[in-house]
Amino acid sequence: GENVEQHPSTLSVQEGDSAVIKCTYSDSASNYFPWYKQELGKRPQLIIDIRSNVGEKKDQRIAVTLNKTAKHFSLHITETQPEDSAVYFCAASTIKAAGNKLTFGGGTRVLVKP
Amino acid sequence: DAGVTQSPTHLIKTRGQHVTLRCSPISGHKSVSWYQQVLGQGPQFIFQYYEKEERGRGNFPDRFSARQFPNYSSELNVNALLLGDSALYLCASSQQGNSPLHFGNGTRLTVT
Repeated sequence: GENVEQHPSTLSVQEGDSAVIKCTYSDSASNYFPWYKQELGKRPQLIIDIRSNVGEKKDQRIAVTLNKTAKHFSLHITETQPEDSAVYFCAASTIKAAGNKLTFGGGTRVLVKP
Repeated sequence: DAGVTQSPTHLIKTRGQHVTLRCSPISGHKSVSWYQQVLGQGPQFIFQYYEKEERGRGNFPDRFSARQFPNYSSELNVNALLLGDSALYLCASSQQGNSPLHFGNGTRLTVT
């Protein structure tokens, strides 16, 4: 089955700096890669996702890049703000006609220091 | 629009008991998935249902079962509870079976 590794497990950045989280996956059939943000005691929230036919996607201060050959993808947050502090999870899945089973990484705890 | 709603929010059970967790998807969403999130880890896939049929099952014992109702709501049942079943149980819904998942706030289950 799919295995997703996520690094680093914790990340501390100064407000205004950039943060980068990296994930690798094992199943070459994976074609969908979402990122979720989970604040303490709250639900995981989808912040951005990318499909395997695209190499990069941006949404304001957030961007995701995908390298299918190397089987890794990354989340980039620019101009970090204190409200970006949370645990971030990457995930991978092979979307089929009737199913979307996500395999999650172990999470990265991001702390943005003011 | 209301998001994914789960009940109860918290639950304390004793080893050996059974538990039923409930989930109502976002209006218009036909697929419901269940995930288990142990403290400090990423969510782990348990089940996915689409149009009331099981479309996927994770690596969980037969003590775990689920179903989806005609109104697309869902129940997760866990029998013979073990201490290791203590976790946050997340329900996620999606428009179709292959659409992005949107999670509810979860049910925090504590087994003593």
